[in-house]
Amino acid sequence: EAGVAQSPRYKIIEKRQSVAFWCNPISGHATLYWYQQILGQGPKLLIQFQNNGVVDDSQLPKDRFSAERLKGVDSTLKIQPAKLEDSAVYLCASSLDGRGGYTFGSGTRLTVV
Amino acid sequence: GDSVTQMEGPVTLSEEAFLTINCTYTATGYPSLFWYVQYPGEGLQLLLKATKADDKGSNKGFEATYRKETTSFHLEKGSVQVSDSAVYFCALLKAAGNKLTFGGGTRVLVKP
Repeated sequence: EAGVAQSPRYKIIEKRQSVAFWCNPISGHATLYWYQQILGQGPKLLIQFQNNGVVDDSQLPKDRFSAERLKGVDSTLKIQPAKLEDSAVYLCASSLDGRGGYTFGSGTRLTVV
Repeated sequence: GDSVTQMEGPVTLSEEAFLTINCTYTATGYPSLFWYVQYPGEGLQLLLKATKADDKGSNKGFEATYRKETTSFHLEKGSVQVSDSAVYFCALLKAAGNKLTFGGGTRVLVKP
């Protein structure tokens, strides 16, 4: 089966600019997650979707980050405006039922200068 | 809240050496436990998992046993190869919420 697709792979922007990341999960996977992985740290959950509804966004900085999952399939994560500390790898993952582990995409590496 | 603590790296080994990466967790209830591996430039891949106490997960020569009494899930491999060089993450999953909580990761470097 095809894996979790993410784009772009790399993005460099200046602070205060906006950026968007895209994720296409494995077909049929109801649960989708966005994680932020800062260099040298473990991934931190930003937001969790079940179909097209938000289950948990308690760690999402809502003043600058937003995410949506249209029609319960693809998802986009947006940052506006970006700060230097947003430099990280943004990982998307999907799961059939939330149990047994997830499948991760290759991530988008964001550098804010 | 739930948390996972891993030994800090980097861990540098020679080929064919024995590898142990310690992992302990704090959580209420009975979480499932996982080890993920991240090779350079790649995403996270599931290495092994255990869903209840005393379960042993194994894959590619790696093993980890779910020890409820010590809240641990240490990763071991008897003879490492250069290709095992990667960052290893321990994680827990609570049934309620269905979200993974990760440790900080341990970088392993295997030298020929």
